[in-house]
Amino acid sequence: GAGVSQTPSNKVTEKGKYVELRCDPISGHTALYWYRQSLGQGPEFLIYFQGTGAADDSGLPNDRFFAVRPEGSVSTLKIQRTERGDSAMYLCASSRSAGLAGGPGTGELFFGEGSRLTVL
Amino acid sequence: GDSVTQMEGPVTLSEEAFLTINCTYTATGYPSLFWYVQYPGEGLQLLLKATKADDKGSNKGFEATYRKETTSFHLEKGSVQVSDSAVYFCALKGGSNYKLTFGKGTLLTVNP
Repeated sequence: GAGVSQTPSNKVTEKGKYVELRCDPISGHTALYWYRQSLGQGPEFLIYFQGTGAADDSGLPNDRFFAVRPEGSVSTLKIQRTERGDSAMYLCASSRSAGLAGGPGTGELFFGEGSRLTVL
Repeated sequence: GDSVTQMEGPVTLSEEAFLTINCTYTATGYPSLFWYVQYPGEGLQLLLKATKADDKGSNKGFEATYRKETTSFHLEKGSVQVSDSAVYFCALKGGSNYKLTFGKGTLLTVNP
């Protein structure tokens, strides 16, 4: 597609439920990132994929959070046993392949519009 | 660890006014520095970047200079337009990793 697409744009769930958030990166971008943005804060890094593998998942806050990218394109962020503190905007971004201009080492990311998660 | 501190908002200006949004950083080594912008209803997009000391990034009339001695990367524009109304984020990337560390963002509103 033309840009990074995230679905759903809004998700309201109850405490304890399971949630999946989907990201469809720009076609041909091999690097994919998830960030979380709480109200009044800047985005915070969660996880980075290069291809199908998670190259850096150091930002995932705990083991309730998991992300996959099985075919190296679409990624799903999965949150188990949601808590009220998980309420935030979840941002996905992609970038060009490593070694190319605009690749992951350059910091030039293309962001989606985000999925707003509200846990009641 | 790495951190970015940017000017608290909101900032409200009249059209054609001069804009400065301050940004300072803490990082080990030699980070790259960025300004990202988020227009209403859109995702964050890269506005400009600088990768080494004394570099000046520029785009759409905005400029920022990488000042290592003051660990700063202040965003400036000589004459803002209503269409510049957005949230501006200062960010850094450490030398060898892929993470961006963002500031909290500054909301800019430009009135006609």
